[in-house]
Amino acid sequence: GENVEQHPSTLSVQEGDSAVIKCTYSDSASNYFPWYKQELGKRPQLIIDIRSNVGEKKDQRIAVTLNKTAKHFSLHITETQPEDSAVYFCAANRDDKIIFGKGTRLHILP
Amino acid sequence: SAVISQKPSRDICQRGTSLTIQCQVDSQVTMMFWYRQQPGQSLTLIATANQGSEATYESGFVIDKFPISRPNLTFSTLTVSNMSPEDSSIYLCSVGEDPLYNEQFFGPGTRLTVL
Repeated sequence: GENVEQHPSTLSVQEGDSAVIKCTYSDSASNYFPWYKQELGKRPQLIIDIRSNVGEKKDQRIAVTLNKTAKHFSLHITETQPEDSAVYFCAANRDDKIIFGKGTRLHILP
Repeated sequence: SAVISQKPSRDICQRGTSLTIQCQVDSQVTMMFWYRQQPGQSLTLIATANQGSEATYESGFVIDKFPISRPNLTFSTLTVSNMSPEDSSIYLCSVGEDPLYNEQFFGPGTRLTVL
């Protein structure tokens, strides 16, 4: 079955700098890779996703890249702001389900 | 996307009792899922709630412990049976509107504490 590894588990960046979170997956049949943001006490929110027919997708300050050959994908947040502080989860699909990575706690330092 | 609600939002229960959590969606959805999120941890899929048939459970989860109903395309329940303190967790439902695209949206969660 699908296994999703996520790194780092914790990341601290200075406000205004960029943050990068990396994930790998094991199942070559996976073709959908969402990213969720979870603020403290809140539900996970889908912030961006990418399908295997594209290599990169961008939405304002957030971008995702996908390397199907290497089976890894990354989340890039530029010009980080205090409200970016949260836990971020990557995921990959397995049939009609999605399997989550263990999460990255992102701290934005003032 | 669909508006998803869960009841109760939180509960404190005694060991050995059962709690039923409801998930309501404001529109018909194809797929509904139940997840568990233990404190500080990731989301673990418990089961897929299938409308009109038995739920499909993931490894490590069984129907006797987590019975699930899905009587229609907008509603599902998860029961946590014979609870122990290890069941203390947040339980979340999620919905998928298109099986081809796998997008899932989460309910607000139910925070369960078992004493």
